[in-house]
Amino acid sequence: ETGVTQTPRHLVMGMTNKKSLKCEQHLGHNAMYWYKQSAKKPLELMFVYNFKEQTENNSVPSRFSPECPNSSHLFLHLHTLQPEDSALYLCASSQGTGVNSPLHFGNGTRLTVT
Amino acid sequence: QKEVEQDPGPLSVPEGAIVSLNCTYSNSAFQYFMWYRQYSRKGPELLMYTYSSGNKEDGRFTAQVDKSSKYISLFIRDSQPSDSATYLCAPAPSTGNQFYFGTGTSLTVIP
Repeated sequence: ETGVTQTPRHLVMGMTNKKSLKCEQHLGHNAMYWYKQSAKKPLELMFVYNFKEQTENNSVPSRFSPECPNSSHLFLHLHTLQPEDSALYLCASSQGTGVNSPLHFGNGTRLTVT
Repeated sequence: QKEVEQDPGPLSVPEGAIVSLNCTYSNSAFQYFMWYRQYSRKGPELLMYTYSSGNKEDGRFTAQVDKSSKYISLFIRDSQPSDSATYLCAPAPSTGNQFYFGTGTSLTVIP
């Protein structure tokens, strides 16, 4: 496989459920990111990991919990979500964390919270 | 004031037309300018990447940056139905690690 792979593609969960999103990159990059994409809004940066160390948490509520066991894998653990958390969650990777390292995105997980 | 403003469209053009997609921004520290293309049910993919002012051409695509007016443009020549997608501009300052995405412009090219 090549590029950035996200699973599952679609997820429906109740507000009391616990679920996890998975991301894997096959590009040999050192940095990984979680973004949230909502309709008619800009992409929102959630978390940044560089060499599996978290370098940025963009004031994300604690019901979202990231995990990065190595530079190739990134998880987003979800619990007690709210309906307004329904969105497309995108994982991205880049060679470094500077803005001269363009982002490579996966195809996202479409999350619906009921 | 938003960091980046982008007309959401939708924009609909006939095949073969020249398309102009635009963004304005407020932060004079922005030095890197990227355009991403996002097809329906897919993630964004990098289309163009420029540094500072000027033009950059890649095939049918031309990215133009005017830092004096804080205006970014993407031109598509001889547009094709396969160009139908949402286009996101994403400028960034030279320091730090954050890109500031626009909301995207939805483009449909009609055969």
